Amino acid sequence: DTAVSQTPKYLVTQMGNDKSIKCEQNLGHDTMYWYKQDSKKFLKIMFSYNNKELIINETVPNRFSPKSPDKAHLNLHINSLELGDSAVYFCASSQDAAQPQHFGDGTRLSIL
Amino acid sequence: GNSVTQMEGPVTLSEEAFLTINCTYTATGYPSLFWYVQYPGEGLQLLLKATKADDKGSNKGFEATYRKETTSFHLEKGSVQVSDSAVYFCALSLPSGGYNKLIFGAGTRLAVHP
Repeated sequence: DTAVSQTPKYLVTQMGNDKSIKCEQNLGHDTMYWYKQDSKKFLKIMFSYNNKELIINETVPNRFSPKSPDKAHLNLHINSLELGDSAVYFCASSQDAAQPQHFGDGTRLSIL
Repeated sequence: GNSVTQMEGPVTLSEEAFLTINCTYTATGYPSLFWYVQYPGEGLQLLLKATKADDKGSNKGFEATYRKETTSFHLEKGSVQVSDSAVYFCALSLPSGGYNKLIFGAGTRLAVHP
């Protein structure tokens, strides 16, 4: 009965590859988010969707493309992976954009 | 711009010691303020929140008071336990383009020893 679940938990791949991370929430929330946490634990928002529509898009390279097939899912696709993409990526959701956010357990992406 | 500044860690304490983790913010407007906690290998969990000046958020023995005059939201606990060892994030939420955006501090690692 996990509220916000991400897959995979760990992802190890080589530079230049394309990979996807999936996120699903069963809380009935309307808003979902992707965050990047670097090696120093600094956490920064990347994207936010409300009812499948993009509402926040921080300065993120266009190699990162979020996709929301329905309001319970927000997937993150990354093209041409680079060493600097190594981080932990967190998905989150909230009832609406003003409510506290619920986080998944993270996906640790390591680029070789 | 809008930002959150937390005291640098790690903070190392003995069990039953008093905890303070400082947090100050800079914001245009009137933000809501939050403390999130991240246990090893897990995502962030909301610990407490305050939505207006002088509000006190509290949960699990932790508390923080929204101080508009000092733009602060310091986290306190009277007696820490080993199980409180985690990274603590202070955050603010402000409207951005009609929606609220969460801005985090850099996190403060707390290590509690028996």
